[in-house]
Amino acid sequence: KNEVEQSPQNLTAQEGEFITINCSYSVGISALHWLQQHPGGGIVSLFMLSSGKKKHGRLIATINIQEKHSSLHITASHPRDSAVYICAVRTSGGGADGLTFGKGTHLIIQP
Amino acid sequence: DGGITQSPKYLFRKEGQNVTLSCEQNLNHDAMYWYRQDPGQGLRLIYYSQIVNDFQKGDIAEGYSVSREKKESFPLTVTSAQKNPTAFYLCASSIAAGRADTQYFGPGTRLTVL
Repeated sequence: KNEVEQSPQNLTAQEGEFITINCSYSVGISALHWLQQHPGGGIVSLFMLSSGKKKHGRLIATINIQEKHSSLHITASHPRDSAVYICAVRTSGGGADGLTFGKGTHLIIQP
Repeated sequence: DGGITQSPKYLFRKEGQNVTLSCEQNLNHDAMYWYRQDPGQGLRLIYYSQIVNDFQKGDIAEGYSVSREKKESFPLTVTSAQKNPTAFYLCASSIAAGRADTQYFGPGTRLTVL
């Protein structure tokens, strides 16, 4: 079983809709990351969370440590938001290795 | 501008040849990482380096090698021992390993073995 599960795998919505992407994890973590990957392949870090909620523009990320769950919301979605959104966790325990990634949610916003 | 560069963007090689992917950063980050991305799968860690002249195997290190002779550079060699090398390779860096720091990613190199 993958340690990081995302849902949905694919999401197509109309411009202006409110979008929610979910991430569940099964391990103890020190931080959770939301990343955005555009069709060219480059990855941009959107948020890093260890508790609560963060907001940047139209993007909101929340995390519930007790439930081991995080959500990424996009308000007033736009076609330029079309991308793959990836959830990744840094496991707790002090390890110096990299992140553990979900498989990504492929989002398409239609005009 | 500060950032991470990877070259080349696309790379084609014949089966059985070793190939080296470049990763350079001018962010003054101590930690650097190499990930591999395959269709329908999450990124997987190949190797990471916490500091110059030190590196550790990740989850899928077999068939790969790295070096970290300079802080700015972390090249990845895909050897002929790697059974299925065709993939998208991403390099990343962070301020320091072992902390919950943001990782900054390069643009990636798409390797195709013919």
